[in-house]
Amino acid sequence: EDQVTQSPEALRLQEGESSSLNCSYTVSGLRGLFWYRQDPGKGPEFLFTLYSAGEEKEKERLKATLTKKESFLHITAPKPEDSATYLCAVGEGGTYKYIFGTGTRLKVLA
Amino acid sequence: DADVTQTPRNRITKTGKRIMLECSQTKGHDRMYWYRQDPGLGLRLIYYSFDVKDINKGEISDGYSVSRQAQAKFSLSLESAIPNQTALYFCATSVDGQETQYFGPGTRLLVL
Repeated sequence: EDQVTQSPEALRLQEGESSSLNCSYTVSGLRGLFWYRQDPGKGPEFLFTLYSAGEEKEKERLKATLTKKESFLHITAPKPEDSATYLCAVGEGGTYKYIFGTGTRLKVLA
Repeated sequence: DADVTQTPRNRITKTGKRIMLECSQTKGHDRMYWYRQDPGLGLRLIYYSFDVKDINKGEISDGYSVSRQAQAKFSLSLESAIPNQTALYFCATSVDGQETQYFGPGTRLLVL
């Protein structure tokens, strides 16, 4: 069965303390892996799309990487404004279906 | 102004009532989607539409119906609301040929 698992469920970091979020997936043909950020009371906001193993994307303090079984979202020297829930989703090959993970709730303390 | 808007933002209704959630977009995208989000579960697709004449069921369409009134408008209806339809509902759009989806701010629905 196709599925997406994110870990940890929640993460508390001190400002400046770098860490990584994990998204592991099982899917029949990967059409793309997506990272979104969701703030409380708002819709998910697109961050990155990765299509093939070895691909990396960066945006400010965030860097996303992809292997054949998982993706990591690395957060370097986070700031309190990086606090949010980070969602991972995969596009299933041969369909228009997206499978979302349950997210990692990140809290960065000043 | 927001590119994807949803109305209402919050709604409380009673079991058995019919309600409609509306989504409008100014992005000019052909594709529109309806998702629901529940605590502890990922976003799940209810319906999607690739153009005005193309509407498809998602993984959890039972109890829901949709209408694509125009390229920019996609409405979700609950014909007879039940308590387990209490959730956060999101509309999203995308461009044909691109994977990125753009989400609205959501509608928080409570069915009593």
